[in-house]
Amino acid sequence: DAGVIQSPRHEVTEMGQEVTLRCKPISGHNSLFWYRQTMMRGLELLIYFNNNVPIDDSGMPEDRFSAKMPNASFSTLKIQPSEPRDSAVYFCASSPPGKNIQYFGAGTRLSVL
Amino acid sequence: DQQVKQNSPSLSVQEGRISILNCDYTNSMFDYFLWYKKYPAEGPTFLISISSIKDKNEDGRFTVFLNKSAKHLSLHIVPSQPGDSAVYFCAAKGGAGSYQLTFGKGTKLSVIP
Repeated sequence: DAGVIQSPRHEVTEMGQEVTLRCKPISGHNSLFWYRQTMMRGLELLIYFNNNVPIDDSGMPEDRFSAKMPNASFSTLKIQPSEPRDSAVYFCASSPPGKNIQYFGAGTRLSVL
Repeated sequence: DQQVKQNSPSLSVQEGRISILNCDYTNSMFDYFLWYKKYPAEGPTFLISISSIKDKNEDGRFTVFLNKSAKHLSLHIVPSQPGDSAVYFCAAKGGAGSYQLTFGKGTKLSVIP
């Protein structure tokens, strides 16, 4: 099993640019989570999908952030326009039906200059 | 408000000795607790978990203890090995039907050879 796959691993962009982060969950998992990790706030849940449907996006910080899950094997997190305060590590995680354990990808380190 | 707190940002332990990592929580609705380990430039990986109906769960060198009355859990690693050096996150899940994990800010464990 390849685990949760995130791309890119690193992203450096300039303020105002659009950023798209990608995630491929583990096959057979029906829940997908996007997290953001910063020194100040730790790991924060941004959005949760179940069976490709967004269930809770209350953690999405602003309208500049959007997430989609067009099918069971792919999700994107988009920031448009990006700002320096968006610099963080973004993790995607997935979990199988009925289970509490979430399995994390390696993360995308985003730097907005 | 931090519902899951790891009050020790760091801990150093000699190889072969016991490592004890602590975690406190405030939400009495939490019913499932997990520990994750994170190496630099990697995502958190699941280590061990415990349901609120138990007070102890053991897996090899790792044991998690739960004290519900004190709203406290701890992770014991015996014996500690240099490869255990990592950041350890405590996480908690709410009641039945809840999906969200609330994470502590982590404790960096250094095992000294």
